[in-house]
Amino acid sequence: GAGVSQSPSNKVTEKGKDVELRCDPISGHTALYWYRQSLGQGLEFLIYFQGNSAPDKSGLPSDRFSAERTGGSVSTLTIQRTQQEDSAVYLCASSLDLAPLHFGNGTRLTVT
Amino acid sequence: AQSVAQPEDQVNVAEGNPLTVKCTYSVSGNPYLFWYVQYPNRGLQFLLKYITGDNLVKGSYGFEAEFNKSQTSFHLKKPSALVSDSALYFCAVRDNAGNMLTFGGGTRLMVKP
Repeated sequence: GAGVSQSPSNKVTEKGKDVELRCDPISGHTALYWYRQSLGQGLEFLIYFQGNSAPDKSGLPSDRFSAERTGGSVSTLTIQRTQQEDSAVYLCASSLDLAPLHFGNGTRLTVT
Repeated sequence: AQSVAQPEDQVNVAEGNPLTVKCTYSVSGNPYLFWYVQYPNRGLQFLLKYITGDNLVKGSYGFEAEFNKSQTSFHLKKPSALVSDSALYFCAVRDNAGNMLTFGGGTRLMVKP
């Protein structure tokens, strides 16, 4: 399994609950991205990790969103106190330096 | 800040006709440019990239893109469209300092038989 793996593939949660989304990038890839896509629309940048540098968090929509990348590999995106407008497909991608991104299949989050 | 514009939300083409999906960009320094495709209920797939060299780049599935520095454009093209090309297409840019990849809003391509 050499691709980017995301889990869960689907998540339904009640408004106000916290959720954690996981991304396993391709082994050895130094860059990891999180994007959000609503209803087959455009990609909204959330956060970018590159090696050991401080992450670029400029896309996180509110302080309810946070992400970490442990050991330069697995990343977790956490959304606290979920709201209905958080419903979307959350996409993770990884790449080696400036190479093209490899995307996972995403986590479809539905907040009821 | 870098940005990408895809001026058309949707492009309609008859099967067998040539297609063009437009993209313009803004970035500091030399751009790294990419096209990705998203088929229904699928993840994004890399189509082609421009880093340096020939302005005409060839990619997967018969697609190509032309880099035009003076017009800051990177339009996606295919000489003869297939119904199976119907999908959502995204243009993306990164600066040569290795900063994050910025995507356009996407263009839905509809190829009709």
